[in-house]
Amino acid sequence: GEDVEQSLFLSVREGDSSVINCTYTDSSSTYLYWYKQEPGAGLQLLTYIFSNMDMKQDQRLTVLLNKKDKHLSLRIADTQTGDSAIYFCAESIAGNMLTFGGGTRLMVKP
Amino acid sequence: GAVVSQHPSRVICKSGTSVKIECRSLDFQATTMFWYRQFPKQSLMLMATSNEGSKATYEQGVEKDKFLINHASLTLSTLTVTSAHPEDSSFYICSATGTSGVDTQYFGPGTRLTVL
Repeated sequence: GEDVEQSLFLSVREGDSSVINCTYTDSSSTYLYWYKQEPGAGLQLLTYIFSNMDMKQDQRLTVLLNKKDKHLSLRIADTQTGDSAIYFCAESIAGNMLTFGGGTRLMVKP
Repeated sequence: GAVVSQHPSRVICKSGTSVKIECRSLDFQATTMFWYRQFPKQSLMLMATSNEGSKATYEQGVEKDKFLINHASLTLSTLTVTSAHPEDSSFYICSATGTSGVDTQYFGPGTRLTVL
């Protein structure tokens, strides 16, 4: 079955870059996603990447995909205090069903 | 675009009562809606998948008689927690996919259920 794993916690200083990592097991994933959850709120889609791509950049966000190692990362440049949240990676295969990682709590210190 | 709303955002009820949570896609037609439950350790669990006009498909371990899902139209799905108990207290999140062809789910803001 599918398994998506993330580290639980990451702490960075404001202005530094944050890198959140994710590994998955199912090689037939078609899309991989990053979601952000702020305290008390639902999930917000940040970005997604097709499985045939290896990089996608969107403003401060850079997604890197190593399909051989089944490793996905999200880099946030110039991290701000407003970026403090829980970040979930997720994969989908056929039928749109998502499998989520456990989430990484990002704490940004001033 | 692609806004999903949930109502109510927060509900407190007594043990033994039933609670209905609505999930609406506001500006697109949602062919498929999903219901998730978020546990205190932050992981999300898919409860069920519903397609408009057909019965929901429940994940293993989810009681379909307890968590009633109705997807009566392309913009509305409801989750009814029947005979709620304190262990049902949780954050329930719905999501919806449209007909864009991309496997992208749009999430509602979630409903915090507290059963006393």
